[in-house]
Amino acid sequence: AQTVTQSQPEMSVQEAETVTLSCTYDTSESDYYLFWYKQPPSRQMILVIRQEAYKQQNATENRFSVNFQKAAKSFSLKISDSQLGDAAMYFCACMEYGNKLVFGAGTILRVKS
Amino acid sequence: NAGVTQTPKFRVLKTGQSMTLLCAQDMNHEYMYWYRQDPGMGLRLIHYSVGEGTTAKGEVPDGYNVSRLKKQNFLLGLESAAPSQTSVYFCASSYLGSGFTEAFFGQGTRLTVV
Repeated sequence: AQTVTQSQPEMSVQEAETVTLSCTYDTSESDYYLFWYKQPPSRQMILVIRQEAYKQQNATENRFSVNFQKAAKSFSLKISDSQLGDAAMYFCACMEYGNKLVFGAGTILRVKS
Repeated sequence: NAGVTQTPKFRVLKTGQSMTLLCAQDMNHEYMYWYRQDPGMGLRLIHYSVGEGTTAKGEVPDGYNVSRLKKQNFLLGLESAAPSQTSVYFCASSYLGSGFTEAFFGQGTRLTVV
């Protein structure tokens, strides 16, 4: 069964600094997808970045990038030049091809000005 | 384009009452999911569906039932509500393209069982 683990319940970062959120997962499949979602206080779920497991190159979206270590089943999110608007709950998620989408427990990110 | 719409947005139930949450998507997605979100526990999968007429159990299915009679709708039922089912419920849908997928979420339903 898929499992996703986020070991950091809460993280803090100074505005303009860089922060890394950790995520590990477990799956028996070779074909799967990984995601980071952001949930601000509005409760809306916003896709931040995604990674296809068959792609070795780490995904990047502007200030957001991932460090995908397939053998270690690790999928961390790096946020560069942190902004006040980045403060939110961040969820890591895994979807096996043709199967369910499973989330981690989340990490609250606080951004200090 | 409405995306994923959940009905209702808020509801207060008495213990033992029943209700149905409706999720509707207009993106022709095959996959649909129901989650509950509780503090410190993230999004836990209740039930999901990989196509019209099919459903499967997730991590926390007890006390809930689902149906997917039409591709665009995924219903979550509580037959006899309990205070432990007080939560925020999210519906999501997704597709599988050629090596590409993304899940879209509804706005959530806050359910309180008293």
